[in-house]
Amino acid sequence: GQQLNQSPQSMFIQEGEDVSMNCTSSSIFNTWLWYKQDPGEGPVLLIALYKAGELTSNGRLTAQFGTTRKDSFLNISASIPSDVGIYFCAGQLSDGGSQGNLIFGKGTKLSVKP
Amino acid sequence: NAGVTQTPKFRILKIGQSMTLQCTQDMNHNYMYWYRQDPGMGLKLIYYSVGAGITDKGEVPNGYNVSRSTTEDFPLRLELAAPSQTSVYFCASSYSAPGLGSEQFFGPGTRLTVL
Repeated sequence: GQQLNQSPQSMFIQEGEDVSMNCTSSSIFNTWLWYKQDPGEGPVLLIALYKAGELTSNGRLTAQFGTTRKDSFLNISASIPSDVGIYFCAGQLSDGGSQGNLIFGKGTKLSVKP
Repeated sequence: NAGVTQTPKFRILKIGQSMTLQCTQDMNHNYMYWYRQDPGMGLKLIYYSVGAGITDKGEVPNGYNVSRSTTEDFPLRLELAAPSQTSVYFCASSYSAPGLGSEQFFGPGTRLTVL
């Protein structure tokens, strides 16, 4: 099936630091979504992106839809302990492949040291 | 709104047993999905539905069945449980797909162990 390469796989940072993660693919997407999953919970939507080049913020989180439509980036500024969790990117293929269903990256596990 | 609810939260099955994982959404969403999540992996789509009476296979449908008799409910059935089906199962729903309105909202998950 289609692949989304999400990196880094894990991050261990100090509270207050900024965080960057990204997802890339060889395919073109028309939607990028970023989710956060806390232990024992379902993924929660953070940011949705629909246009190439789009930059959207949600509090300390900022995500961008890459101009090539093959990638997306998520930045977290001034991290705090509650940012701990697994962050997933998900994309929807532009050619309608998979009936528009989402393809998920494998996640970035974020740990924050107080 | 409760959003997407799933029951049970945890279950242990013996090999060969069957069970149904329940999923209900109260957002009047047309689209519903079942995923499984294995450790260190992303979410893999098992089955999905674009509306009542319409279901289709996802990436990993073998060993599972679904039905969609109402807009609200989308149960997932395991007929002959196998250890390979040990996983965390998530149900999700969305208003539409693809594009605007296609954001999927997830339930809290069902953690299934098959021994």
